[in-house]
Amino acid sequence: EVQLVESGGGLVQPGGSLRLSCAASGFTFSSYVMNWVRQAPGKGLEWVSYISGRGSRKYYADSVKGRFTISRDNAKNSLSLQMNSLRADDTAVYYCTRALHDYDDYFDGFDAWGQGTMVSVSS
Amino acid sequence: YELTQPPSVSVSPGQRASITCFGERLGRKHAYWYQQKPGQSPVLVIYENDKRPSGIPERFSGSNSGNTATLTIRETQTMDEADYFCQAWDSSAGVFGTGTKFTVL
Repeated sequence: EVQLVESGGGLVQPGGSLRLSCAASGFTFSSYVMNWVRQAPGKGLEWVSYISGRGSRKYYADSVKGRFTISRDNAKNSLSLQMNSLRADDTAVYYCTRALHDYDDYFDGFDAWGQGTMVSVSS
Repeated sequence: YELTQPPSVSVSPGQRASITCFGERLGRKHAYWYQQKPGQSPVLVIYENDKRPSGIPERFSGSNSGNTATLTIRETQTMDEADYFCQAWDSSAGVFGTGTKFTVL
């Protein structure tokens, strides 16, 4: 069974940093593109970042570019999102997602989602 | 790049309903659809315009042409009530639609 379990969320002051983690199990982690998607309270979904299976390609939404860094450790089946210079509008539930197909580098749908971890940015 | 959906769609049980997603030249891209029920993570219900992942009922179908992708739910059931989001990729960035609240009256 595919499982994605996020952790690391919490309350942080504006300008602060937070590191999210996602523990993956039930599939060959290194074979899949992974993405972070977020959802502000009562709002829609927003794509945040993409990383290829081998970690060689990374893409970011304009809203987080230069502040967030995506990474993965295929030996540990782990995905991370380092978030710096956090702002109030970064407040959201952050979801770890797996791409549908086991292609190393492909823009695909998100077929597995974690339960999400809440990030609140407030003074 | 933007994807625009109607804020709300309502249907009676057993009827057919469609949710649209408008984006410039969307028909040239792959469209994906997600269902999200309150308090739950989204679920992929349509991928690559018209394909259903395993476990998704046959009453869900999709199409994509021109500037509009459409999710159709036939023989709607009360369990289909949820928020629905379309999604596509443009210039190496993921884009979600504005979302549609789907109500089964």
